[in-house]
Amino acid sequence: EADIYQTPRYLVIGTGKKITLECSQTMGHDKMYWYQQDPGMELHLIHYSYGVNSTEKGDLSSESTVSRIRTEHFPLTLESARPSHTSQYLCASSASQGAGQDGYTFGSGTRLTVV
Amino acid sequence: GQSLEQPSEVTAVEGAIVQINCTYQTSGFYGLSWYQQHDGGAPTFLSYNGLDGLEETGRFSSFLSRSDSYGYLLLQELQMKDSASYFCAVRKNYGQNFVFGPGTRLSVLP
Repeated sequence: EADIYQTPRYLVIGTGKKITLECSQTMGHDKMYWYQQDPGMELHLIHYSYGVNSTEKGDLSSESTVSRIRTEHFPLTLESARPSHTSQYLCASSASQGAGQDGYTFGSGTRLTVV
Repeated sequence: GQSLEQPSEVTAVEGAIVQINCTYQTSGFYGLSWYQQHDGGAPTFLSYNGLDGLEETGRFSSFLSRSDSYGYLLLQELQMKDSASYFCAVRKNYGQNFVFGPGTRLSVLP
């Protein structure tokens, strides 16, 4: 049973639209992350948060923004989608001391297609 | 800069043993993790090595040598369900951000 939920699972939208990808976790984890992954490729960190009101950009430049108003919720927003944003977006979380020994817990991902 | 290298593909038969290697060059290093990802699925955590040596979890074992910037994942008694992509990931800092390798696609044949 998943403890981290992402919606929508699939999304096809037109260029220029604003979208928000939702991510919620019920584990009480402080740390949350957004990764971007193209099919068969590695994961790239685009945003992370170590707690409420804390957000940072990751290693991969991204035109998206995130917010962390509640511990359990970490939405990602694209103000103006472009075809280059077509990818899979994976949300993950970890306990404060657990990402090493316990690893990340990933959501099922959102497959975004911008046409 | 930072880079992780893994073989792109590995093929083995059921019941066999396979080793997936990972070499890394990163600006920081606190540990090495391994994740499994089936097609269309989310990555799932397999193991973590913070210190040199071998960690065993059932059929899977993971090894780390920090002096060689090298680790591997060992899968024993392969089963068809082990067919998936396997990613190594380096924990760069105490804050627990991980950098993922390019992944190794394992195909298990009957």
